[in-house]
Amino acid sequence: GAGVSQSPSNKVTEKGKDVELRCDPISGHTALYWYRQRLGQGLEFLIYFQGNSAPDKSGLPSDRFSAERTGESVSTLTIQRTQQEDSAVYLCASSLAGGRLSYEQYFGPGTRLTVT
Amino acid sequence: GESVGLHLPTLSVQEGDNSIINCAYSNSASDYFIWYKQESGKGPQFIIDIRSNMDKRQGQRVTVLLNKTVKHLSLQIAATQPGDSAVYFCAENGNDYKLSFGAGTTVTVRA
Repeated sequence: GAGVSQSPSNKVTEKGKDVELRCDPISGHTALYWYRQRLGQGLEFLIYFQGNSAPDKSGLPSDRFSAERTGESVSTLTIQRTQQEDSAVYLCASSLAGGRLSYEQYFGPGTRLTVT
Repeated sequence: GESVGLHLPTLSVQEGDNSIINCAYSNSASDYFIWYKQESGKGPQFIIDIRSNMDKRQGQRVTVLLNKTVKHLSLQIAATQPGDSAVYFCAENGNDYKLSFGAGTTVTVRA
């Protein structure tokens, strides 16, 4: 079946511009996560959506970052007034459910963001 | 070849040999651990998981060992193949649903 998809795969933007990244989770997955991966580093949690519950935004690094999710489908991560330190791969993952005993997370291929 | 020590950022292994990748986790309350494989240009891919009520779990060519006493996790790959070349991450799910990822180990398989 179809996995998690993300678009665009690559994005180059000028410093100060806004960008919007899209994630299409696996159908039926109620939980959706965004991570940031800087070059050569591990994954850094950004935000988590679970069904209709309020999202956990505790990992967002600044108020320039925001994310939305429509029901249990598409999610968009928006970065306003991009800075060079925002350059990274942004990964989206979904799972059947979230919570204490987290189900396996399936990752998309990521969006590579380069801020010049 | 086998890795020695708590964590190495890189591991070079001869094709056909066994590999051991180590990871130390930080949260003693963690009860779920996952190993992911990430190939260049791709998202992480699930390899194997283990819950804290177990100390060993086997998959196809892979074995995960968990030592809760010293908060140590390892991934063993039997008969390493060129397709095993990738970055391997351990992740722990401690107090909540958020996975905390290690820094990753880059495995290079020599022909």
